Amino acid sequence: AQKITQTQPGMFVQEKEAVTLDCTYDTSDPSYGLFWYKQPSSGEMIFLIYQGSYDQQNATEGRYSLNFQKARKSANLVISASQLGDSAMYFCAMRERRGSSNTGKLIFGQGTTLQVKP
Amino acid sequence: EAGVTQFPSHSVIEKGQTVTLRCDPISGHDNLYWYRRVMGKEIKFLLHFVKESKQDESGMPNNRFLAERTGGTYSTLKVQPAELEDSGVYFCASSPGRARSGANVLTFGAGSRLTVL
Repeated sequence: AQKITQTQPGMFVQEKEAVTLDCTYDTSDPSYGLFWYKQPSSGEMIFLIYQGSYDQQNATEGRYSLNFQKARKSANLVISASQLGDSAMYFCAMRERRGSSNTGKLIFGQGTTLQVKP
Repeated sequence: EAGVTQFPSHSVIEKGQTVTLRCDPISGHDNLYWYRRVMGKEIKFLLHFVKESKQDESGMPNNRFLAERTGGTYSTLKVQPAELEDSGVYFCASSPGRARSGANVLTFGAGSRLTVL
């Protein structure tokens, strides 16, 4: 069965420094998609970045990049130059596969709470 | 463009009562999803609509939960009768196009927090 694991319940980072949030996944499928979402205190889940298993390069979106290591089955989120507004909960997710097809739904990890210190 | 809107943001009810949560997806998004996060646990899928049809309801916990999407626009999720274990945050999400496309991105609402006493 597919599974997402986020082993860091909470993380602290100093403002302007970089931070890495860990995500490992388990799947036997060669084709899969990985997502990161941010949930600030306001509650909404904000999409940050997507990585496809066949993408040749690691995904980047502004200050967010994904350190995708396929052999290790890890998809760590790297936030560069942390800002106070980055304080939030971060969720790693994978699109579910059934047989050889994607389904519409996402499988989530437990989340990591990031606190950025001034 | 307006995002995914959920109402109410917080509901407190007694065990045995009924609650109806509402979700307004982004206009034009055919796919609508309900997810739930129970305290301290992962966010779990409940069900998926494509327009007005239920595509996948494999995550619905039991028959006390009823979801509808009239006319393929907004959706409601009714819990009747509510039990203590139903407490949690209920998220709605929507997406355009082909739900099965690997890169199809779900846009989430802010969630409806349900507390059952």
